Amino acid sequence: GAVVSQHPSRVICKSGTSVKIECRSLDFQATTMFWYRQFPKKSLMLMATSNEGSKATYEQGVEKDKFLINHASLTLSTLTVTSAHPEDSSFYICSARPRDGPYEQYFGPGTRLTVT
Amino acid sequence: GIQVEQSPPDLILQEGANSTLRCNFSDSVNNLQWFHQNPWGQLINLFYIPSGTKQNGRLSATTVATERYSLLYISSSQTTDSGVYFCAVILTGGGNKLTFGTGTQLKVEL
Repeated sequence: GAVVSQHPSRVICKSGTSVKIECRSLDFQATTMFWYRQFPKKSLMLMATSNEGSKATYEQGVEKDKFLINHASLTLSTLTVTSAHPEDSSFYICSARPRDGPYEQYFGPGTRLTVT
Repeated sequence: GIQVEQSPPDLILQEGANSTLRCNFSDSVNNLQWFHQNPWGQLINLFYIPSGTKQNGRLSATTVATERYSLLYISSSQTTDSGVYFCAVILTGGGNKLTFGTGTQLKVEL
């Protein structure tokens, strides 16, 4: 149980285009989902907290107009990187916390974004 | 903000050896998780352990919240244990936000 999927696993896009990443909790409902970014050989940095049916809460320094987050249902959150630039290239990972139970978070497999 | 430091930063083991990874945190926490990030980037939940001791096969973990540290023990290491180990905490009163530690890169050799 507690499986989180992400799609796509890998994407290459041209500078100036937008890319959407989906995060789904497959076997549980999640009122809260989280988006992280990880640079090579670095730790995970929280970008934003996504609550179902409400606006996301962004961490300091994260541009909300560049990283659009939507959490339309209890099993799906999306991250859209708008007008992507090479510096947005990174590994993006989502996590979800089950609606019922302790504060344990479960992570998706990540999406590697390369902007050319 | 809260500081989460892990040690050692890098570790190389021979297969079959035992090891202890440490996670120190600077403030009171009410949640602590240990993860293994495999070479493909997937984070695998190892333990949800805000306090006490847990064991799962060759792995065990202990958190002493009052002294602000947690330990992850790996016994009889295998090459498949290679990867990065992270601890992550939620600050008391910090809602749902996990703060990740600096990580320990483990390589197990034959």
